[in-house]
Amino acid sequence: SAVISQKPSRDICQRGTSLTIQCQVDSQVTMMFWYRQQPGQSLTLIATANQGSEATYESGFVIDKFPISRPNLTFSTLTVSNMSPEDSSIYLCSVAAANYGYTFGSGTRLTVV
Amino acid sequence: AQKVTQAQTEISVVEKEDVTLDCVYETRDTTYYLFWYKQPPSGELVFLIRRNSFDEQNEISGRYSWNFQKSTSSFNFTITASQVVDSAVYFCALRGAYNQGGKLIFGQGTELSVKP
Repeated sequence: SAVISQKPSRDICQRGTSLTIQCQVDSQVTMMFWYRQQPGQSLTLIATANQGSEATYESGFVIDKFPISRPNLTFSTLTVSNMSPEDSSIYLCSVAAANYGYTFGSGTRLTVV
Repeated sequence: AQKVTQAQTEISVVEKEDVTLDCVYETRDTTYYLFWYKQPPSGELVFLIRRNSFDEQNEISGRYSWNFQKSTSSFNFTITASQVVDSAVYFCALRGAYNQGGKLIFGQGTELSVKP
């Protein structure tokens, strides 16, 4: 199955700034998913990113706050913009693998102070 | 609508005890896929199992076993002879065959604490 390299693994950021999270996949994949996991909570899908088209955002998430790029079939970035302490979460990218499985990146643990 | 419910928020057991984590799902799809993931304190998601809706055979992998029952929409996970290293949050997840671009719907997770 695909291997995902996600960076950074963690960061501490000042409120009002932005952080860009990168995911690099070792094979070409059609869809990439970005999830947020707030402290003590489950995973919530932010958006689905397809190469060559705009990302599809879930209810409650907007492009201005979480812009996503998908320049090719092996790479995607998620930016968390104008951060506030409420954005402190683990962010994970994921790709659909063969046979309806999924592979996840190792996660980015973000703390906003 | 699709939904996954893990009613047990936290479970605490003593090492070597058996423990079962419950998962109940809702879907209108006739074909769907169920998953279990483990999330240790480090935060990464570790894939444990995927089960297709048309395969109700139970599965055993070492100390882990899964009981899939379509009649009750449940996909429970049992750890036999638990170990301290099993301490983690466990998530059950669902994907419909044709739903919403293939996204996973996660349950709220069950935090398992195994004490020595």
